Amino acid sequence: QKEVEQNSGPLSVPEGAIASLNCTYSDRVSQSFFWYRQYSGKSPELIMSIYSNGDKEDGRFTAQLNKASQYVSLLIRDSQPSDSATYLCAVKMDSNYQLIWGAGTKLIIKP
Amino acid sequence: KAGVTQTPRYLIKTRGQQVTLSCSPISGHRSVSWYQQTPGQGLQFLFEYFSETQRNKGNFPGRFSGRQFSNSRSEMNVSTLELGDSALYLCASSSQGTLHFGNGTRLTVT
Repeated sequence: QKEVEQNSGPLSVPEGAIASLNCTYSDRVSQSFFWYRQYSGKSPELIMSIYSNGDKEDGRFTAQLNKASQYVSLLIRDSQPSDSATYLCAVKMDSNYQLIWGAGTKLIIKP
Repeated sequence: KAGVTQTPRYLIKTRGQQVTLSCSPISGHRSVSWYQQTPGQGLQFLFEYFSETQRNKGNFPGRFSGRQFSNSRSEMNVSTLELGDSALYLCASSSQGTLHFGNGTRLTVT
């Protein structure tokens, strides 16, 4: 069973701190990994994509990928109340282009 | 560039009825995917169309069907509605692997 797992949360983080979101996947052949943010009542929007082992930084966001351990994480530095949302991890199976989604982690940034 | 447009935004139907949802992708995007989102199950993949052909299909019963037209617009149909079909239905178009979601259609089945 190919799966993507995330802690559903909620994860509560003080404003200004680092929020760390984790995602594990079961399919070793997965090659593409995505983090989407979904505000309540809104549709998901892409935050980061990562394809190679290591870190990828974009502003306050850093995605980390470890294919050997089959996990991908998202770090949010200097967390702001506007970062409060559900963060969805998605893993792409290159064999058939299908995205497999985690259930999402609800993040709450407390002022 | 206009985003992904889904119509209608809200629908209320009764059990046994059928419903058709519409999705207009971003101009130039040839891939359209459909998802069902519920609080308990998260995002569940329904199907993906590319150049009028279904390229992938999720694990949903045959009551769920879709199609894509030559202009890349897509429709999704659900027949014989059940209470459990109440959900947010999201359409996403993509180019080069990045999904762009519409605002969704919220379907309530009573």
